[in-house]
Amino acid sequence: GQSLEQPSEVTAVEGAIVQINCTYQTSGFYGLSWYQQHDGGAPTFLSYNALDGLEETGRFSSFLSRSDSYGYLLLQELQMKDSASYFCAVKPIYNQGGKLIFGQGTELSVKP
Amino acid sequence: EAQVTQNPRYLITVTGKKLTVTCSQNMNHEYMSWYRQDPGLGLRQIYYSMNVEVTDKGDVPEGYKVSRKEKRNFPLILESPSPNQTSLYFCASSGHRGVAYEQYFGPGTRLTVT
Repeated sequence: GQSLEQPSEVTAVEGAIVQINCTYQTSGFYGLSWYQQHDGGAPTFLSYNALDGLEETGRFSSFLSRSDSYGYLLLQELQMKDSASYFCAVKPIYNQGGKLIFGQGTELSVKP
Repeated sequence: EAQVTQNPRYLITVTGKKLTVTCSQNMNHEYMSWYRQDPGLGLRQIYYSMNVEVTDKGDVPEGYKVSRKEKRNFPLILESPSPNQTSLYFCASSGHRGVAYEQYFGPGTRLTVT
């Protein structure tokens, strides 16, 4: 089937670096997106990798390797406000419409 | 301000009583989508729309209907709600119709069906 797998929880301390992984079992997709969600609020878009490699946006970076069926979100200089849930998402190639698949989300807890 | 709005934000209803959750965006986006979020299950797509009068099923369409008569609006209709439709619902839109990334999400509608 088509699925994305993420760790359910990650804990890190303020100022540290944390990596949230997203592995997928899907035959092909257009790119990997990441979203952040605080306490059941509206998810907000963080990044999109259309191609393999690293995309950097401030303290956040995202990486994609299609050959390894793997991507990750890297958060540097962690702040308390980074405590949130993080979701990866893909649009499968097999669907030429607008179908999207999301991972189950990773809850990040940043400790002082 | 660019935004997606949903109404109502909270709703408690009874089994079988038809309801509609409205969604509107002011960004002239072609792509819109509905999701439900349940603990441990992440975001699951219910329906999406690639443009006016073009809608299609996501992963969990059973028990839901949608319509897209205008570009800005994409209402979600539950004709006969059941308790298993108790959930947090999000509407989203994207200007990248082809790959639908960079979605803008509404604030969510928390629905309880008793």
